[in-house]
Formats: sequence, C-alpha cells, structure tokens
Amino acid sequence: QKEVEQNSGPLSVPEGAIASLNCTYSDRGSQSFFWYRQYSGKSPELIMFIYSNGDKEDGRFTAQLNKASQYVSLLIRDSQPSDSATYLCAVTFYDKVIFGPGTSLSVIP
Amino acid sequence: SQTIHQWPATLVQPVGSPLSLECTVEGTSNPNLYWYRQAAGRGLQLLFYSVGIGQISSEVPQNLSASRPQDRQFILSSKKLLLSDSGFYLCACGGTFGSGTQLSVL
Repeated sequence: QKEVEQNSGPLSVPEGAIASLNCTYSDRGSQSFFWYRQYSGKSPELIMFIYSNGDKEDGRFTAQLNKASQYVSLLIRDSQPSDSATYLCAVTFYDKVIFGPGTSLSVIP
Repeated sequence: SQTIHQWPATLVQPVGSPLSLECTVEGTSNPNLYWYRQAAGRGLQLLFYSVGIGQISSEVPQNLSASRPQDRQFILSSKKLLLSDSGFYLCACGGTFGSGTQLSVL
C-alpha cells in the first residue's frame, strides 16, 4: 500500500514568517512530487512540482526533495494571510497520483 | 495547457438513486485521467484512473464505477447511491483539477 503522510496541523505562523510543510512517502519508486494549495470548498491548485533531489525555488515557494529519506517539503517565505489554506502533497508512482491528507496552514496577521 | 470541464457543481441525490458525473478535457490528447473523492475535512482519495480509452484501474472497491468512452471523456457512475458516497468529487488531468462536484446523498 503506497502511502503519503503529512502533519494535519493546523500550523500557525505569523505574517512575514517562513512556513515549513513536510511530507513523507512510503514507495522508493516514486518519481514525481507535487505541492497543491486548496482553499475551503475549492479544487486544489498546483503550486510546484519537483523531480530531482535538492531544492527548487519559485517566487516565495521552495520545494525540497530528499529521495534517500523519502521526504519532500515546501517552504513559504514571507507568509501572507492569503496563504492560509490546506496544502496537499502528492506523489506519483508510474500512472498513479497519491495524495497525503493535507496540512492546514493559518497565517496570523 | 489543458482545461477540465466538470459538472454539475452541486448535486443532491436520494439514497438508492443512480449517479453519473462527467468530466471532459480540452487541450491535450491521450491524457491520463483521474477521479478523486474528498470527504469533508479529509484528503483526496484516488478512486479510478485511466491511461486510455476503455482502460480503467480501480483503487478502492466500492459502490462506484468509471468508464472512458472517448479519449477526453471520463465518467463516474453508480447504480445505487449510499449515504457514504457523499463528498467532493474531483476529476484531474496532468496536474490540473476540474472545479469539482459536491455530492450530498440524503
């Protein structure tokens, strides 16, 4: 059974701080890794994807992948109240895309 | 990039009634298509995925079925809905999600 784990939160950070979201996965054969943001009642929207070990930066977002530790994280710099949402980690294995349960983030003004 | 059309946005159905949710994709060919369900306050559960016409893989044995009659059409069905089928149903393709259907079974 392929599993993706995330801390459910809620994670609270003050405005302007760095939010750190973590995800672990069980299958060493997993190939691609995605971070989604989901606002309540809405469908998830893709923030970033990463395929290779190391860091990938896009604006205020940085994804970090460590395949040896089966760990992927998302850092949000200069957090804004509009970043308050649930963040979903997704992992692919061949044709399947499996999601973690999500971490709820609250950015306090 | 692709566009995913999913309807209806909300649906209220009695227990025991049938269900048909349709998803169509534009802007791509031979896509991998996915159906997910999200219960209130929970993560996304993969229900079915398809890598081509007529090819359906089921992830969770349950009261639902899926079909792919055309390359860019993916249909989720049930013959008789259960209360536990309530949830937010999402179609996905290439990392993009449709707008979802909120299904309430009463």
